[in-house]
Amino acid sequence: QAVVTQEPSLIVSPGGTVTLTCGSSTGAVTNGHYPYWIQQKPGQAHRTLIYDTTSKHSWTPARFSGSLIGGKAALTLSGAQPEDEAEYFCLLYYSGVGVFGGGTKLTVL
Amino acid sequence: EVQLVESGGGLVQPGGSLRLSCAASGFSVSTLMKWARQAPGKGLDWVSIIFDDGRTFYADSVRGRFTISRDNSRNTLYLQMTSLRSEDTAVYYCARGHFADWGQGIQVTVSS
Repeated sequence: QAVVTQEPSLIVSPGGTVTLTCGSSTGAVTNGHYPYWIQQKPGQAHRTLIYDTTSKHSWTPARFSGSLIGGKAALTLSGAQPEDEAEYFCLLYYSGVGVFGGGTKLTVL
Repeated sequence: EVQLVESGGGLVQPGGSLRLSCAASGFSVSTLMKWARQAPGKGLDWVSIIFDDGRTFYADSVRGRFTISRDNSRNTLYLQMTSLRSEDTAVYYCARGHFADWGQGIQVTVSS
């Protein structure tokens, strides 16, 4: 099974911009991996922000965007808010089978 | 309103079986549905998917032991789990579509 890698932790200043990345042990991440980004806050339900690389749900704040950068899936947060402090998990699909990354703990400080 | 409610979890001995249910309301489970899990203090772990055409896929760690299915008449998704191991201990979540909606989760503990 493939291994999906994420930065363990990142720090961003309020109002700042940060990019979280999601790599694959099998090579470059492509749209064919249908990247997802899921936000988790302690005691709250999971919230999926991005699916299929760039698609947003109706509840996804405009400050979040998904893309492919340098062979990885990326989640960019532009204009970080204190409420964006959370753990973010990426998910990639390999011929129908999903694999989550280990998660990135994002601190807004 | 979309709602997903899991049930059927609990404590089971290694080698045992459990069937999780995910009762849906506000939509039909005949669509794309998924199961994921999260062990205490760990990250998310993808478990299984069933497409609207009935195709199913499983994580390597559960393939051959878990079976995903659904009953459209009951509007319920299932996860039949057999040959359970301690490493299957986790909170299990069902989810709709592109993980648009998640259940509240159900605890499964595998221990003697």
